[in-house]
This record gives sequence, C-alpha cells and structure tokens, in this order.
Amino acid sequence: ETGVTQSPTHLIKTRGQQVTLRCSSQSGHNTVSWYQQALGQGPQFIFQYYREEENGRGNFPPRFSGLQFPNYSSELNVNALELDDSALYLCASRFGGGETQYFGPGTRLLVL
Amino acid sequence: ILNVEQSPQSLHVQEGDSTNFTCSFPSSNFYALHWYRWETAKSPEALFVMTLNGDEKKKGRISATLNTKEGYSYLYIKGSQPEDSATYLCAPWLNAGNMLTFGGGTRLMVKP
Repeated sequence: ETGVTQSPTHLIKTRGQQVTLRCSSQSGHNTVSWYQQALGQGPQFIFQYYREEENGRGNFPPRFSGLQFPNYSSELNVNALELDDSALYLCASRFGGGETQYFGPGTRLLVL
Repeated sequence: ILNVEQSPQSLHVQEGDSTNFTCSFPSSNFYALHWYRWETAKSPEALFVMTLNGDEKKKGRISATLNTKEGYSYLYIKGSQPEDSATYLCAPWLNAGNMLTFGGGTRLMVKP
C-alpha cells in the first residue's frame, strides 16, 4: 500500500463534458504529480504541484488544469473532453526534497 | 520530447528462470533513474532510485545497475517467480525538466 488514494476508480463521460479527478496523498507529501497513461504506453507527465503552485508541466493543453490543497489532496480537471482523453490517470506524491514517488491506483476515464 | 526506451516490450519466462530488461535514456542532464513495478489493478510500486554512475541496487531477487555516461540501466530478476509477473517501468529524472519521463515498460509473465 502506497498510502495514496484516488477517486473515482472508473468514470464514463461524453465528448465536450468536464471531469474532476481526485487524489489524496500521504500526510506531509507537499509535491503531487499527475500522469496520463494511454493504452500500451508508459505514463506521461501532465503537471506537478508543489505547495499549491504548479511548478512543472508536460506537453498537455491548458484544458488540463489542477489544484492542490493544504490537506494533501489534489484535483485534476479536464475541460472539453475529447475521445483521446480516454486513459488511466495516475497521481503520485512525494516529499518536496525527496525522490521516491508514491502512486495511487489510478482513475480510468472513458470518453464516448 | 525525451526518448526513453525499454526492451523487450514483453517477456514470457518459466518459473525459476533468471531474466533481465534494458532501459535506455538520454545521458545529458541526468539526475536520477527510477524503476517501478506495476502489477495489474494495483498502484505502481517504487523499486529503486539510482543516482550515481556505476550504482547497483538490490532488493531480494531483483537488482539493477546504472550507466549514466552511456544512458542505460539493467534490471535483473534472479529465479523468477509467478508473483514477479508485472510491468516494469523505468523513468529518468533529468535536470532539464521537473518531471519523470517514463518508458513504455516491459511486461513480464512468469509461468508456474
């Protein structure tokens, strides 16, 4: 067990809708990263938050946005869903200066 | 876009066989290399974080080596067991970006 939880586990949305995915990190982990894993590929970095500020972003459009809260929880928001957004979304947390990341089990999103 | 390659993509071995996988990554701006094991329906689990050229890490029957000058890492499993069946992911952390870049993974299946 990594101590990182995600909700919901599965989600079905239609194209154009908006979705919010949630992550609860280990207590004390002030850095959280979000990844998208499409079928047959490794996880791709979306963005990272440190002390509630975004401090790194991968090659994802602005309709992917996030929030991090003081209680070690965070959100990934995706607007104007597209079919290609169908994927497994993982969050991972760590201590700010540490290196090992602890992953949640993921949220599987299907966009129809 | 960083090119992180893992080979082979998949591997079927018999229980008791020893096996190894390769991770290739850009050698410039190297900071650390992460290895993860990801069993189906579970969270990715951190195996090793390696930082120094020539570094070797060991955890039970699993070990890894690192060559930062030529940009590769090997993961070895001695005497594979069915419970070793999982996808093994490597991800370098480079100074040029504040993120992990994952390879596509090696899917290992160990037959009893």
